[in-house]
Amino acid sequence: DGGITQSPKYLFRKEGQNVTLSCEQNLNHDAMYWYRQDPGQGLRLIYYSQIVNDFQKGDIAEGYSVSREKKESFPLTVTSAQKNPTAFYLCASSIPGREGNEQFFGPGTRLTVL
Amino acid sequence: QKEVEQNSGPLSVPEGAIASLNCTYSDRGSQSFFWYRQYSGKSPELIMSIYSNGDKEDGRFTAQLNKASQYVSLLIRDSQPSDSATYLCAVTIQGAQKLVFGQGTRLTINP
Repeated sequence: DGGITQSPKYLFRKEGQNVTLSCEQNLNHDAMYWYRQDPGQGLRLIYYSQIVNDFQKGDIAEGYSVSREKKESFPLTVTSAQKNPTAFYLCASSIPGREGNEQFFGPGTRLTVL
Repeated sequence: QKEVEQNSGPLSVPEGAIASLNCTYSDRGSQSFFWYRQYSGKSPELIMSIYSNGDKEDGRFTAQLNKASQYVSLLIRDSQPSDSATYLCAVTIQGAQKLVFGQGTRLTINP
């Protein structure tokens, strides 16, 4: 059963703590993405990776870090430097160059800073 | 000017009518255009993609693209209450490496 999984579904963090959000896909997609969505807003790109061991900053990378050690996995760390981390975080994957980069999303992680 | 613009709504349409959602974009080099549906509290789901000028139909959904006017739209025929959701327009930029999303249009279908 192919798809994208994200965990946890809900995450609560105290100010000053780093947290890591998991994203795994078994679609054999090369490219993976992290987006942030704030209430009533569209999606903003945080980081993306088109191949293993390589990734690029998106539009709002400050306060976030990623790694891409395996094709299937693209974890996102929200650091204490991120000033307003409460948001809905979405991971997506695609096959670059195929069908104009159709991206498919995981179920998301809702992060709340207490 | 935002790269991708949508009317945030809410757009209210009676059941059985046609819902029309619009999107404009600023990058003339964009080649690929997508519509995603997002139910409240859920992640976006891809419902339509379009790559060339004209209309593309899939069931009750029709996507329309006009590259000269930098305009893409989504029509939903015979609207159902289950179509009530936020619809996100997305456009590729930078040689299709990235998608840029509009802020979404909230659609409500009234029984």
